[in-house]
Amino acid sequence: DADVTQTPRNRITKTGKRIMLECSQTKGHDRMYWYRQDPGLGLRLIYYSFDVKDINKGEISDGYSVSRQAQAKFSLSLESAIPNQTALYFCATSDPKGRSNEQFFGPGTRLTVL
Amino acid sequence: SQKIEQNSEALNIQEGKTATLTCNYTNYSPAYLQWYRQDPGRGPVFLLLIRENEKEKRKERLKVTFDTTLKQSLFHITASQPADSATYLCALLRGDYKLSFGAGTTVTVRA
Repeated sequence: DADVTQTPRNRITKTGKRIMLECSQTKGHDRMYWYRQDPGLGLRLIYYSFDVKDINKGEISDGYSVSRQAQAKFSLSLESAIPNQTALYFCATSDPKGRSNEQFFGPGTRLTVL
Repeated sequence: SQKIEQNSEALNIQEGKTATLTCNYTNYSPAYLQWYRQDPGRGPVFLLLIRENEKEKRKERLKVTFDTTLKQSLFHITASQPADSATYLCALLRGDYKLSFGAGTTVTVRA
């Protein structure tokens, strides 16, 4: 079973619609992250949370909001989607006590905004 | 401004050869650097970490070097196999404990 899951895996929506992407993890990690990936630009951090009561903006948070409902769940919302938010979105987790501080990524959500 | 640059071109190599990928950075002082592998349609998977006080790290057929003077890491895949075909990402840990990623280098190993 996957440790980090994302739903939906694919979504096509129209400009102006509200969209929520969900992330769940069974790794027991406190830290969770949302990234977007665009061709040629690499992964860029949107929001991150170091525990349930902690929410922080990343490099590109404009147009996005998040909710950390529980240790295991971290949702990303696009309040009013626009075409340049078309991208691949990844959720990730990490354990600050881990030796490598590696991040564990979900399978991604491909979002298309028409 | 801060930049992380990986090989701009995709790498095509013959099976059995060594693939060498570069990761150059500017205006960072990372405590460590990580390498990830990403297959099409999947999330990145962690491969290796190298700390600023380490010159070289190995894991099976993978070798990573880290030169903080040159601000560069090299990632080597020795005795490459078609199954090594993927995109490889480098990531730097910033002072605020977040990772910054390069755009990745796509490697194709021909049988």
